[in-house]
Amino acid sequence: KAGVTQTPRYLIKTRGQQVTLSCSPISGHRSVSWYQQTPGQGLQFLFEYFSETQRNKGNFPGRFSGRQFSNSRSEMNVSTLELGDSALYLCASSLSGGPNEKLFFGSGTQLSVL
Amino acid sequence: QKEVEQDPGPLSVPEGAIVSLNCTYSNSAFQYFMWYRQYSRKGPELLMYTYSSGNKEDGRFTAQVDKSSKYISLFIRDSQPSDSATYLCAMSGGNYGQNFVFGPGTRLSVLP
Repeated sequence: KAGVTQTPRYLIKTRGQQVTLSCSPISGHRSVSWYQQTPGQGLQFLFEYFSETQRNKGNFPGRFSGRQFSNSRSEMNVSTLELGDSALYLCASSLSGGPNEKLFFGSGTQLSVL
Repeated sequence: QKEVEQDPGPLSVPEGAIVSLNCTYSNSAFQYFMWYRQYSRKGPELLMYTYSSGNKEDGRFTAQVDKSSKYISLFIRDSQPSDSATYLCAMSGGNYGQNFVFGPGTRLSVLP
């Protein structure tokens, strides 16, 4: 079974630009979560999607948004990039997003904002 | 105070040593506890999953949860250089729409 796939693997952008990251969950998984990982803050929850609906949201500004398609694939968008947005963005999937379900991560997209 | 605390290390041990990694937390609603291993430039990989208090063993790994003390541990027996990674604890409560809270991670180096 293929794991969680994230593209692209690396991105370099400049301040003010926008970026879109893509995530394909494990086949059969319908819940997709996004996390930001930085050396200073660790792993922080961005949002979770299930059945094309955002079901849970972390404490990030509105510049961070996402969506989920009918095939459970998800995209995350960051607009008006800031230097502090440089981070590893991780996507994780689970069957239905239950708190008792195991969460499986992709390898992440390393975003550098110059 | 952060919701989940974890000693960031780095922790260096000789090959074959027993490693003890720990997390403390403040939210008594947490019921599900996980340990992830993350190699450099990779996503976290699920190692252990436990529910409520108790112990769980899987090969060289043992996870312990003490909800009364809000304390969880991961033990690695006969540590190997391939165990060198960052270990993250994670926990969640009882709501759908997974919102796991992660510890900052402990960086472990196992020296040959």
